[in-house]
Amino acid sequence: AQTVTQSQPEMSVQEAETVTLSCTYDTSENNYYLFWYKQPPSRQMILVIRQEAYKQQNATENRFSVNFQKAAKSFSLKISDSQLGDTAMYFCAFTSGNQFYFGTGTSLTVIP
Amino acid sequence: KAGVTQTPRYLIKTRGQQVTLSCSPISGHRSVSWYQQTPGQGLQFLFEYFSETQRNKGNFPGRFSGRQFSNSRSEMNVSTLELGDSALYLCASSLGEEGQPQHFGDGTRLSIL
Repeated sequence: AQTVTQSQPEMSVQEAETVTLSCTYDTSENNYYLFWYKQPPSRQMILVIRQEAYKQQNATENRFSVNFQKAAKSFSLKISDSQLGDTAMYFCAFTSGNQFYFGTGTSLTVIP
Repeated sequence: KAGVTQTPRYLIKTRGQQVTLSCSPISGHRSVSWYQQTPGQGLQFLFEYFSETQRNKGNFPGRFSGRQFSNSRSEMNVSTLELGDSALYLCASSLGEEGQPQHFGDGTRLSIL
């Protein structure tokens, strides 16, 4: 069975600082995909970043980057130069095939 | 391109009633997935439809059912509502191919009195 674990229910960071959100997963599959989604308060869930397991290079999207450690089954999200608009729930997700598995989320608050 | 549209945005029902939620996917997307989101539980997968067929199913009782139409629009039905069914129900669409990201709607907030 596939599982996704986010061990940090809540985190906070000062504006302009860097924060890292943790995610681990368990699978016996060799080919899969990992995602980070962001859900601002009372707003729509949006895709932040996507990583293909067969690619060793870590994905980056502007201020967002990941540290993908396949052997350790770890997929952390780093947010640089944090902004107030980054305040949201962040969900880590895994898919191999068509079904998605989500973690329980990390609530991130950016403090002015 | 229009995003994923879910209707209605809010619903209030009483125990024992039934409810139908609707989801219109992004144009061209053939896969629609449904999730139940509650505080502390994250997103619980209900089911996924692709080309009018249920392709994947989560661990929910048979009171939860769904269907997909030929235009890819999907509906989810919950019968004999219970207080524990109060949640945000999210719909997500994708192209349906392996590794393609899901795109979410705003959700339907269901409250059971």
